[in-house]
Amino acid sequence: DAKTTQPTSMDCAEGRAANLPCNHSTISGNEYVYWYRQIHSQGPQYIIHGLKNNETNEMASLIITEDRKSSTLILPHATLRDTAVYYCIVGGYGQNFVFGPGTRLSVLP
Amino acid sequence: AAGVIQSPRHLIKEKRETATLKCYPIPRHDTVYWYQQGPGQDPQFLISFYEKMQSDKGSIPDRFSAQQFSDYHSELNMSSLELGDSALYFCASSTTLGARTEAFFGQGTRLTVV
Repeated sequence: DAKTTQPTSMDCAEGRAANLPCNHSTISGNEYVYWYRQIHSQGPQYIIHGLKNNETNEMASLIITEDRKSSTLILPHATLRDTAVYYCIVGGYGQNFVFGPGTRLSVLP
Repeated sequence: AAGVIQSPRHLIKEKRETATLKCYPIPRHDTVYWYQQGPGQDPQFLISFYEKMQSDKGSIPDRFSAQQFSDYHSELNMSSLELGDSALYFCASSTTLGARTEAFFGQGTRLTVV
């Protein structure tokens, strides 16, 4: 079973920041938080991951709380092409990636 | 940059036939994962390989088998196909070298069993 809890769906206005929350209260000390997204039947796309520090790359930012029990993925300027199902996955080194239901993000014009 | 290559992209088989799906990982990646995604469902982990050895096993039916070859490509063999096997099959690869732990997915093989 997935070790994370995410909202089923969210809407975001185009050009605004999309903030996607994820709860992972049972995360272990050596487990990472990964974010992937899937755009309509395409292969899941890696976005970002982190252990305990906040991370930023060209796609998004990942904010992990100090107790590591939750995190937020931030898409700074959402576009229509960001409409997808976003998956928050917790896993350790060498573990497989367990997908939960994810959050269906709709970016609205 | 090179990505994970899966072939074929689409496959139509009849019930009780066999199918072989192939996955070519990103160069220098040593770990391969297989996932099955049924219509309207989330990807479900089937099996993984590290350095040509099975490393983890998920909800893979006994009718399915897989292996990773010396060149690190992997094949998923599916026998006695059933209508319920119709799904998207994704392969992903990752490396255990360095600090990178994320996996990258291919575009999938859409299997239709008729």
